[in-house]
Amino acid sequence: DARVTQTPRHKVTEMGQEVTMRCQPILGHNTVFWYRQTMMQGLELLAYFRNRAPLDDSGMPKDRFSAEMPDATLATLKIQPSEPRDSAVYFCASGLVATSWAEQFFGPGTRLTVL
Amino acid sequence: GDSVTQMEGPVTLSEEAFLTINCTYTATGYPSLFWYVQYPGEGLQLLLKATKADDKGSNKGFEATYRKETTSFHLEKGSVQVSDSAVYFCALRDSGAGSYQLTFGKGTKLSVIP
Repeated sequence: DARVTQTPRHKVTEMGQEVTMRCQPILGHNTVFWYRQTMMQGLELLAYFRNRAPLDDSGMPKDRFSAEMPDATLATLKIQPSEPRDSAVYFCASGLVATSWAEQFFGPGTRLTVL
Repeated sequence: GDSVTQMEGPVTLSEEAFLTINCTYTATGYPSLFWYVQYPGEGLQLLLKATKADDKGSNKGFEATYRKETTSFHLEKGSVQVSDSAVYFCALRDSGAGSYQLTFGKGTKLSVIP
């Protein structure tokens, strides 16, 4: 049963610290998305990659957030320095762009709390 | 730009009651429409989809019909169960080459009580 995995599942950190979240997409998928979920804003798309290349990161605050795919099995989202307003659940999703539409498969999320 | 509006929650129903969660959309192109479900502590899962007008998506007793004339995609279920308690998200993917981004509504939390 192929699944998207995310680590850590929970992270509590202090303001100013660096946070790195990791995602392992489903093997063979060529598209990876990062979302942020908060009560106020709902689900927001931060960035997405296709074949490891960033296609759109317009939803991401560039001064502190960065997203990369060092290889096909790992996507990372980094926040440096973190701020309390970054507290949210961060989801990674992957999909296979091979047909006219591609279902996105979501990971369980990383719940980030910045104190 | 694209947007999805769904009814505010939370919605609380008794078991076996009829469920409707309203969803309307605006899109620049001809979108595909989706309902995703999020169970507590988990990521979102695709529940059903429809890709063109008058299509009906269905899964696990849930149904939604793509209504282009009213730009709506309301989710319905005839008899809810306690296990249906979750947050439901309506979403669209606009048409256009290479467009795989989803635009989500804010989610509607459903609680079903025995």
